[in-house]
Amino acid sequence: EVQLLESGGGLVQPGGSLRLSCAASGFTFSNYAMSWVRQAPGKGLECVSIISRSGDSTYYAASVRGRFTISRDNSKDTLDMQMNSLRDEDTAVYYCAKHSSGQTTYNWFDPWGQGTLVTVSS
Amino acid sequence: DIQMTQSPSSLSASVGDRVTITCRASQSIGTYLNWYQQRPGKAPQLLIYAASGLQSGVPSRFSGSGSETDFTLTISSLQPEDFATYYCQQSYNNPITFGQGTRLENK
Repeated sequence: EVQLLESGGGLVQPGGSLRLSCAASGFTFSNYAMSWVRQAPGKGLECVSIISRSGDSTYYAASVRGRFTISRDNSKDTLDMQMNSLRDEDTAVYYCAKHSSGQTTYNWFDPWGQGTLVTVSS
Repeated sequence: DIQMTQSPSSLSASVGDRVTITCRASQSIGTYLNWYQQRPGKAPQLLIYAASGLQSGVPSRFSGSGSETDFTLTISSLQPEDFATYYCQQSYNNPITFGQGTRLENK
């Protein structure tokens, strides 16, 4: 069974940092692109970062570019996202999602993890 | 960035109704359009991929159609478990973007 398990969420002050992790199992992790998608309370979905299967291509939403860094360790089947200079508006549930192929585009997300809550507040 | 616009933003319907949700892309995306269902407090789940492909395990009352800029998700006969929020997503180019969501409520 394909599973994604996020961790690392919590309460952080504005300007602070947090590192999210996603542990993958049940599939050959290195064959698939991965993404982080967030959902602010009561709001819609925003894809904030994407990484190719090899990790050599990454993409970021304008809202997080320069502050967030996505990475992966194909030897450990883990996906990470380092979040720096956090702002109130970064408060959200963060989901990791598996792409249906190794490409960053022309595919779909399935499955998604259960999500981890990040709260940015003083 | 490609903007995705769903309509309506919310919809009231009853069990047994036929429901259609539309999604419009700000530029042509071929058939690189996916639909997700999200129940309260849960992660989104894939329903339809590549505009019309039914994800394994998804009931056949769900169907998708469209191409280029205009797409639809149809539920042929609403069931109680279908009251949820639905999102379209384009994967034609980066950044991947979602519609704002359509909340389907029980009338």
